[in-house]
Order: sequence, then structure tokens, then C-alpha cells
Amino acid sequence: TQLLEQSPQFLSIQEGENLTVYCNSSSVFSSLQWYRQEPGEGPVLLVTVVTGGEVKKLKRLTFQFGDARKDSSLHITAAQPGDTGLYLCAGAQGAQKLVFGQGTRLTINP
Amino acid sequence: KAGVTQTPRYLIKTRGQQVTLSCSPISGHRSVSWYQQTPGQGLQFLFEYFSETQRNKGNFPGRFSGRQFSNSRSEMNVSTLELGDSALYLCASSLAPGGWEAFFGQGTRLTVV
Repeated sequence: TQLLEQSPQFLSIQEGENLTVYCNSSSVFSSLQWYRQEPGEGPVLLVTVVTGGEVKKLKRLTFQFGDARKDSSLHITAAQPGDTGLYLCAGAQGAQKLVFGQGTRLTINP
Repeated sequence: KAGVTQTPRYLIKTRGQQVTLSCSPISGHRSVSWYQQTPGQGLQFLFEYFSETQRNKGNFPGRFSGRQFSNSRSEMNVSTLELGDSALYLCASSLAPGGWEAFFGQGTRLTVV
């Protein structure tokens, strides 16, 4: 059972455009994390959101945790080729194992 | 502060053999989790260790096993390798058990021929 659904699964856009990736679940999470992974490498932690409604900004990336702590979004402004990669969301439920979404493969074309 | 170190980075084995992968967590982290990543299945949880005890286990056959040492370093072993075991094996370390912030190593790319 996939508890976290990411959409879209694939996204290819031009440099300079904006985009939003979604991570949805019917389950409540105590925290949600976003990772970016490049080919052949391990995922790199970008951000952790903990409070319902929380918004965190990391340069051109904006992360939001839903009020009910069941969903999250990642918005990228003015995308650059360096943003290309696999974006993964992962939810934590207390002391249970981290649950990962299937990922969004993002390609930014110059 | 050194990150998570996985060795080896690449490995080629033949069917039927066994393999042992190693993971050294970030200093001070006592929780280590292992994942298998394949293009079709995404990140699949294998198991988690905390203070030398297995806390959680994923839905993998008994051929997949692991352990953790007193210095928090962890190893995973796969016996009787099958072609379908070809994957990127990732190790992640955390301060606390469960789902808190996980820091990943670069992974071990295992190819079974």
C-alpha cells in the first residue's frame, strides 16, 4: 500500500518556468521531509516540515505542509537546469519507519 | 562532520552468490535504515536498526538480513543472489529511531549477472 502519492510522476519544463510538485496522503504525519536525488547518488535532505500549515523557503524553493498534516507541496520559482533530479517526499509517523512517495522526476531544459 | 559512508560503491556478483554491504553512519547517529531502490519500485524499506536492535523490517525475503555493531556501523547481507536483486542499496542514518530526518549515503550499486 502506497501511503504517499506524488504528482506528477514526470515533469519536463523550460528554464525560467515555475512548477509545483504535490505529495498527498490519507494518513496524518508527524513530519514530512523532501529530498532531491541525482542519478547514481543518494537522496539529499532539502527540508523538514513539522507544523500543519508551515511554509519554509529555501532560495527559489517553497515547501508547504498542509493544515491537516496529510499533504505537502514543493514549489520552484524560475526553475534552472541545476534543479533537475528526482524529488522525493517522505512522511514520518512517530517511531514508525519513514514512508516514501514514488518520486517526481523533474527535467529543466535550458 | 563526515556524512554517511557506504562501501563498496559498485559491486558485480553472479547469481547464487552472497554479498555484504557496509554502512558507517554520521558520528553520533545511532539509527541506521536500509533501502532498496529500483526504477520500477522506487525506494523500498528493508530494515532499521537502533542500538544494535532491529526495530522495523520491510517485506523482503529472509535472504536479506542485517546487523548493527556497537559503534553503530551496520552491514546488510543478501544470500543466494537473484537477478532481481540488482539495485541501488541505500543506507540512511538518523539521530533517533523511526521517521526523523534521514541522511543518506551515496549507495552501493549492486549488479547481479
